[in-house]
Amino acid sequence: GAVVSQHPSWVICKSGTSVKIECRSLDFQATTMFWYRQFPKQSLMLMATSNEGSKATYEQGVEKDKFLINHASLTLSTLTVTSAHPEDSSFYICSARRDPGSEQYFGPGTRLTVT
Amino acid sequence: RKEVEQDPGPFNVPEGATVAFNCTYSNSASQSFFWYRQDCRKEPKLLMSVYSSGNEDGRFTAQLNRASQYISLLIRDSKLSDSATYLCVVNRGGSYIPTFGRGTSLIVHP
Repeated sequence: GAVVSQHPSWVICKSGTSVKIECRSLDFQATTMFWYRQFPKQSLMLMATSNEGSKATYEQGVEKDKFLINHASLTLSTLTVTSAHPEDSSFYICSARRDPGSEQYFGPGTRLTVT
Repeated sequence: RKEVEQDPGPFNVPEGATVAFNCTYSNSASQSFFWYRQDCRKEPKLLMSVYSSGNEDGRFTAQLNRASQYISLLIRDSKLSDSATYLCVVNRGGSYIPTFGRGTSLIVHP
């Protein structure tokens, strides 16, 4: 299978600060990357779809000005949580996919805690 | 109706049992189907893709029924290590945006 890395694996930050999370596909080129969040005992919630070189497409209810996504290359996408608040504390997971019909591979996730 | 529906379970089975999960989807234009497993506090890992003709990988068999719009996963000879949440993923037709079911919890006990 393909390998996707995510960094950092966990982060604690103070309310009002911004946090950047990186997602990299290590051994393949990903035309599309996805960002999810997951609260305890709940299902994955898709936040946005990111295609290399174009603006991300956000799911309904996700604030694009709060969750900034950049997909600068075929192997790197970043999610920046701006002005984080305690309610943003969650498990953020990225995934990467080679082409539209193929499976996606997930990064190990980032646990964000906002104090 | 939700786009992708799964029975959340939990399914509590003894080692060696055979267990089956179903997943229904509402968008008839959906093109790609997958099963993932997710362990507690971990990321989902691909278990298998689901093809129209059905496919098997060891103890796992996946099938797709387009007419009735559901996919299934059969696990034979359950192991303790099979305990996890099994996620059904359906790519929306046209956009290929993945939609997840809420997952089915499986607990295999000695």
